Amino acid sequence: GESVGLHLPTLSVQEGDNSIINCAYSNSASDYFIWYKQESGKGPQFIIDIRSNMDKRQGQRVTVLLNKTVKHLSLQIAATQPGDSAVYFCAEKTTGGGNKLTFGTGTQLKVEL
Amino acid sequence: DGGITQSPKYLFRKEGQNVTLSCEQNLNHDAMYWYRQDPGQGLRLIYYSQIVNDFQKGDIAEGYSVSREKKESFPLTVTSAQKNPTAFYLCASSRQVSSYNSPLHFGNGTRLTVT
Repeated sequence: GESVGLHLPTLSVQEGDNSIINCAYSNSASDYFIWYKQESGKGPQFIIDIRSNMDKRQGQRVTVLLNKTVKHLSLQIAATQPGDSAVYFCAEKTTGGGNKLTFGTGTQLKVEL
Repeated sequence: DGGITQSPKYLFRKEGQNVTLSCEQNLNHDAMYWYRQDPGQGLRLIYYSQIVNDFQKGDIAEGYSVSREKKESFPLTVTSAQKNPTAFYLCASSRQVSSYNSPLHFGNGTRLTVT
């Protein structure tokens, strides 16, 4: 079946370094992707999104890259801060599937001081 | 501040009892959703509603029921038929269903423990 997954369950980075969180998807019909951040005991918080007609989108300290050829999505966080420690989820939406999102299992980002 | 309010934050029930989780939003969003989150797993869709008095089953609707009598409210009932109800439940809303640039906004969840 179709799935959304992540390469690494846990990522540890030093404060100030750049972080890269990866996500693989298998549904070639997916046309909209979102990254969410979830802190412990809280609901997911929207970070950034990208449509399939783009390959890069930048926000404040974050960049999402989309490689449709290999069905790969990444979230880059510049100058990682302790407050960035959280679980990061990618989610995909497929054309014709309404706004129902399929979520990956998440990557735990740990920022070391 | 606009947002989504889920209550209570923690809920404990005995096996065999039905329990209702509250979700209220003041974002004036048309669509609302319920997700379930288990450790080490992604979010799984239980039910969603596009407009008042209308709702559809998600991927894991068995053992759950919902209602959408008001635009602002989308309560979820976990029935005794749900075989593994202990989980973290997340409510979300969006401006529209089937729309780009309409990401889901989530509440802070209710952790249900059934013993």
